[in-house]
Amino acid sequence: DAEITQSPRHKITETGRQVTLACHQTWNHNNMFWYRQDLGHGLRLIHYSYGVQDTNKGEVSDGYSVSRSNTEDLPLTLESAASSQTSVYFCASAAGGTGELFFGEGSRLTVL
Amino acid sequence: GQNIDQPTEMTATEGAIVQINCTYQTSGFNGLFWYQQHAGEAPTFLSYNVLDGLEEKGRFSSFLSRSKGYSYLLLKELQMKDSASYLCAVKRVDSSYKLIFGSGTRLLVRP
Repeated sequence: DAEITQSPRHKITETGRQVTLACHQTWNHNNMFWYRQDLGHGLRLIHYSYGVQDTNKGEVSDGYSVSRSNTEDLPLTLESAASSQTSVYFCASAAGGTGELFFGEGSRLTVL
Repeated sequence: GQNIDQPTEMTATEGAIVQINCTYQTSGFNGLFWYQQHAGEAPTFLSYNVLDGLEEKGRFSSFLSRSKGYSYLLLKELQMKDSASYLCAVKRVDSSYKLIFGSGTRLLVRP
């Protein structure tokens, strides 16, 4: 079955470290997204991509970057982790049509 | 800009009916999604409305009024497993597949 997987599922890091969260989907979807979820804020869009070599900033992109070198993967990088980036991160992908999102299981990141 | 409002928490009794409301203010509205999210898990798709009216899918129904900027999710014959957060998300005509989410409504179903 097609799926979308994230790794690591849990990570603890220190302020100032670079962190990369991986997202891999086998749906062959062109559209991929990274959201963060915090209490009281719901899901907020960080970055998204509509295809290989395409990346776009979402509403909370400061301090994050993504790259899209193939259809399957959209890694999210925190260049210099800050405590404010402690959150649960969800990767999602969407086919065409309605644009229904399929979510990964989430990555819980703690920045100390 | 855009604004999506949902109640923060609701409580209901097993076997009852509950209605979760979502109001939105956005230009270029092009559809509304409802997702269910159990604690510690990923959101999963429940429904999608783009035209006015009611969409029924088993115990769950979703309603949309574009003129009022209003949607609701109706859950019938509540079960304990329906305890979860319910997320409303809006799609805009100029943003392709990018969804904007409300803060979610946490539903507690009691015996």
